[in-house]
Amino acid sequence: GAVVSQHPSWVICKSGTSVKIECRSLDFQATTMFWYRQFPKQSLMLMATSNEGSKATYEQGVEKDKFLINHASLTLSTLTVTSAHPEDSSFYICSAGRLAGGETQQYFGPGTRLTVT
Amino acid sequence: DQQVKQNSPSLSVQEGRISILNCDYTNSMFDYFLWYKKYPAEGPTFLISISSIKDKNEDGRFTVFLNKSAKHLSLHIVPSQPGDSAVYFCAASAVGSGDKLTFGTGTRLAVRP
Repeated sequence: GAVVSQHPSWVICKSGTSVKIECRSLDFQATTMFWYRQFPKQSLMLMATSNEGSKATYEQGVEKDKFLINHASLTLSTLTVTSAHPEDSSFYICSAGRLAGGETQQYFGPGTRLTVT
Repeated sequence: DQQVKQNSPSLSVQEGRISILNCDYTNSMFDYFLWYKKYPAEGPTFLISISSIKDKNEDGRFTVFLNKSAKHLSLHIVPSQPGDSAVYFCAASAVGSGDKLTFGTGTRLAVRP
């Protein structure tokens, strides 16, 4: 159990366009979902935390108008990169939180590689 | 400001021997620590965790040790297997942080047959 999917797994888009990435918890309900990005050979950096039915909480330095997060249901969160630029090229990973043994365990999706040309 | 650090970017170990991966942290508010394993182009998978009230947690071949006074934790894998070859991230969570994780930079483990 605790499977998280992401779609698409990779995407190439032109500069100035918007890209939507979906994150789904397939076999459990996730009240909280997290979005990370990872540059090559670097750590996973938390971008934002989203709770179902409420606005996402963004980490310092992350532009909320550029990275739109929607958590419409307990199994789906989306990240939209608006007006993408080459510097937005990165590996984006979501995770879904599930309570286990009194603590929230994060289960990660397989990631989405975004390349902006 | 890297609050969780993995100072060894890579480690090579012979199959059957022990692998020791290290992690240091600076934030004294961290009270829960996790290790994840990650393959290229995949998301991290959870391995083992430890709460700050413990100094050791064991799960099969994996053992995590926590030294709070030194703000240091380590993951021991014994015996190491070729399938353990991956990037290992340590992560930490602070009290009242809403389950947010702060990740280290990762250590690439290669287990030689």
